[in-house]
Amino acid sequence: QSVLTQPPSASGTPGQRVTISCSGSSSNIGSNTVNWYQQLPGTAPKLLIYNNNRRPSGVPDRFSGSRSGTSASLAFSGLQSEDEADYYCATWDDSLNAVLFGGGTKLTVL
Amino acid sequence: QVQLVQSGPEVKKPGASVKVSCKTSQYTFTAYYIHWVRQAPGQGLEWMGWMNPNSGDSGGTKYAQKFQGRVTMTRDTSIRTAYMELSRLTSHDTAVYYCARLLGTDDSWGQGTLVTVSS
Repeated sequence: QSVLTQPPSASGTPGQRVTISCSGSSSNIGSNTVNWYQQLPGTAPKLLIYNNNRRPSGVPDRFSGSRSGTSASLAFSGLQSEDEADYYCATWDDSLNAVLFGGGTKLTVL
Repeated sequence: QVQLVQSGPEVKKPGASVKVSCKTSQYTFTAYYIHWVRQAPGQGLEWMGWMNPNSGDSGGTKYAQKFQGRVTMTRDTSIRTAYMELSRLTSHDTAVYYCARLLGTDDSWGQGTLVTVSS
């Protein structure tokens, strides 16, 4: 069971807005920035969001991230079929002195 | 662009060790920690530890508590390559192992190395 809690699944129809949450504590999300990774089937994870809400070049602006207190969120502002993938949040934990990953959320586009 | 290229798949017997390599290019090798992450079949990502390529002769390391005593992360700076060795393998170690630059502004991952532990 992960220290960072994500819903195991999420779904939406094309064009819909969908949000994935990542809940932690004061020693991790509460005091460190969060990155989000997208993992398409059979491939390595890819950076989607860094520093809570920044997009690397090449990542469409329909992906956005936010952080409030000890939780973070990843939002899709117009779901597309190619967004079907697994999504992971990650951050550093000051108490455990370790990198933490959320358990992952499988996003299905209906 | 930044590249991390890992060694090929491995099949090992229980009790054996495996050493996975991660050859890097297109960036200053000593400027970024290399992390190792594994993913068991159908499961999520699990952090194993990091290695600082710029720390002394053997490189500084930090291992996840779960792998303490069983994992060793090293590097050869002359060929810009990081290594992860895991010993006393069991079937529970069957997974894809990734090297990666993590929690930065330009994270990058290797393609993954499948390690299968089977008698």
